[in-house]
Amino acid sequence: NAGVTQTPKFRILKIGQSMTLQCTQDMNHNYMYWYRQDPGMGLKLIYYSVGAGITDKGEVPNGYNVSRSTTEDFPLRLELAAPSQTSVYFCASSRGTAEKETQYFGPGTRLLVL
Amino acid sequence: GQNIDQPTEMTATEGAIVQINCTYQTSGFNGLFWYQQHAGEAPTFLSYNVLDGLEEKGRFSSFLSRSKGYSYLLLKELQMKDSASYLCGAYNQGGKLIFGQGTELSVKP
Repeated sequence: NAGVTQTPKFRILKIGQSMTLQCTQDMNHNYMYWYRQDPGMGLKLIYYSVGAGITDKGEVPNGYNVSRSTTEDFPLRLELAAPSQTSVYFCASSRGTAEKETQYFGPGTRLLVL
Repeated sequence: GQNIDQPTEMTATEGAIVQINCTYQTSGFNGLFWYQQHAGEAPTFLSYNVLDGLEEKGRFSSFLSRSKGYSYLLLKELQMKDSASYLCGAYNQGGKLIFGQGTELSVKP
């Protein structure tokens, strides 16, 4: 299993541009998550999904959109990039949120908005 | 509100023992995780506690007291490779994992 994969690894955007961060998992996990991590800080939940066709907001959803058309894929969309969205973005997945359901993280996408 | 507190940074000596504390306030509680994150890498799972008490896993142990909203991660026989950020995360009743800011541990020879 490849686990959780993310593309791209690094991207520079200009203010106002849009892009999609890709996330794919091959573990047949129902739950998927998008986090952002600012320098020296913990992880903040942006959006999450409990299954195909179902998404919900996390702590910091403004400026982002998600979709979940398949179990495997959970793309994160930035419509109008702003410097405040400069961060490292991690995608994660888990079987569920019951006891001992570990979240497995992808390698991250480093985004710089100038 | 929901809040996870842990020290920003700690320093310890190779071969020693270090305890990283975490206090949490969440709407409901469905378990507490500890993750390790090396610089520039993704977080990796270390431990999970949902009941009170100590869970031991090799050199790493994690403790939970639900009545006190408190957990700690204990690292024994510290090695240089243990230098990393340690993230405390608590699952709330809505199934969301809320993370603290992380504790940056530096292990010195």
